[in-house]
Amino acid sequence: EPEVTQTPSHQVTQMGQEVILRCVPISNHLYFYWYRQILGQKVEFLVSFYNNEISEKSEIFDDQFSVERPDGSNFTLKIRSTKLEDSAMYFCASSGAGNYGYTFGSGTRLTVV
Amino acid sequence: SQKIEQNSEALNIQEGKTATLTCNYTNYSPAYLQWYRQDPGRGPVFLLLIRENEKEKRKERLKVTFDTTLKQSLFHITASQPADSATYLCALKASGSSNTGKLIFGQGTTLQVKP
Repeated sequence: EPEVTQTPSHQVTQMGQEVILRCVPISNHLYFYWYRQILGQKVEFLVSFYNNEISEKSEIFDDQFSVERPDGSNFTLKIRSTKLEDSAMYFCASSGAGNYGYTFGSGTRLTVV
Repeated sequence: SQKIEQNSEALNIQEGKTATLTCNYTNYSPAYLQWYRQDPGRGPVFLLLIRENEKEKRKERLKVTFDTTLKQSLFHITASQPADSATYLCALKASGSSNTGKLIFGQGTTLQVKP
């Protein structure tokens, strides 16, 4: 069964540092997403990406966040200057055309200290 | 305000019984609703999708119903097994939004199936 792969599985960073979270979505999927889940809270939408551009973003996704699909396979989330409140599990997901379920990766646990 | 709510209390049932989980929403007009399973420290795993014009969907031991009048979806697991123990999330995609696939998640209900 195809999988969405995320690296690293854990990342600890100092406040103010930049982090890049990496994802390899399913190869024939067209839509790519980042969600996050703060411990004990809901899964929250951050951004969706289609046709090499952001199609929608939430109010969480401010100027400190950016996404890229630098080649045909990777999809990255960059946080420029991390804050303590950015500590969360970050999930990448992808989906195909049509109304089908999304495939989520196993997540990157980001801890900002 | 817009809300999507699941029973935050854990649901404990005996193996072999049917588990029923509830998802209620307010001030949304959903295009469809999805159910996911989430194990601790893992990403959500897609289970079922039901569209706003559908009443019921089934997949093996799973059944989802959707009542747009009551603004509620029910998720049933029949003949439950201890391996079904997990947190179950409902997620809604609003109609009228762009075709970006943004999902709004409930907080999840934890199911514990006892042998």
